[in-house]
Amino acid sequence: AQSVTQLDSQVPVFEEAPVELRCNYSSSVSVYLFWYVQYPNQGLQLLLKYLSGSTLVKGINGFEAEFNKSQTSFHLRKPSVHISDTAEYFCAVSNPGGGADGLTFGKGTHLIIQP
Amino acid sequence: DTGVSQDPRHKITKRGQNVTFRCDPISEHNRLYWYRQTLGQGPEFLTYFQNEAQLEKSRLLSDRFSAERPKGSFSTLEIQRTEQGDSAMYLCASSLRGTGLGTQYFGPGTRLTVL
Repeated sequence: AQSVTQLDSQVPVFEEAPVELRCNYSSSVSVYLFWYVQYPNQGLQLLLKYLSGSTLVKGINGFEAEFNKSQTSFHLRKPSVHISDTAEYFCAVSNPGGGADGLTFGKGTHLIIQP
Repeated sequence: DTGVSQDPRHKITKRGQNVTFRCDPISEHNRLYWYRQTLGQGPEFLTYFQNEAQLEKSRLLSDRFSAERPKGSFSTLEIQRTEQGDSAMYLCASSLRGTGLGTQYFGPGTRLTVL
């Protein structure tokens, strides 16, 4: 079984400041990792994903994430946030080759951008 | 590309009634997923189809829940004898390939309220 922990339920940040949203996962096998964003009244949208290779992954809207196998983490970062980044962010994991194709999500982190 | 659509967007029902939701995936996508999201939680995987075959079911999917994808295109999720605990957002997603290689595109969801 696998699980995802997003320790911060809310992260307030001032506009143009950097932000890091934390994600830790638990799995006994190799994993694929994802970050999704959910804007108010909209569906989930993929920000970025890590499958293999370079541990630094770049996504849309200036976001990036770094896979750290030893710390079982996949933290999301953005160097300068904009008011339009206000949304709910979900980290997710899947188990490649395990016969299970569904994503396991964390509880989400609400990013609040303050002007 | 019209995206994943779900119908209805909102459903209010009384306890004990049956409800059915519909999901129309992106047209060329052969994989279709159902998730449930309750307030303050991340989406939880329920089941998925590859074409018309239902390949995986979560333990969350009690025997009151049934999903179909008869022609490998749209899918329906039926909940029989609804309970108040079934109140949630029901999300549908589709992808062209498996979870890691194929991005899951989410619909806007159907919000179910059981009175």
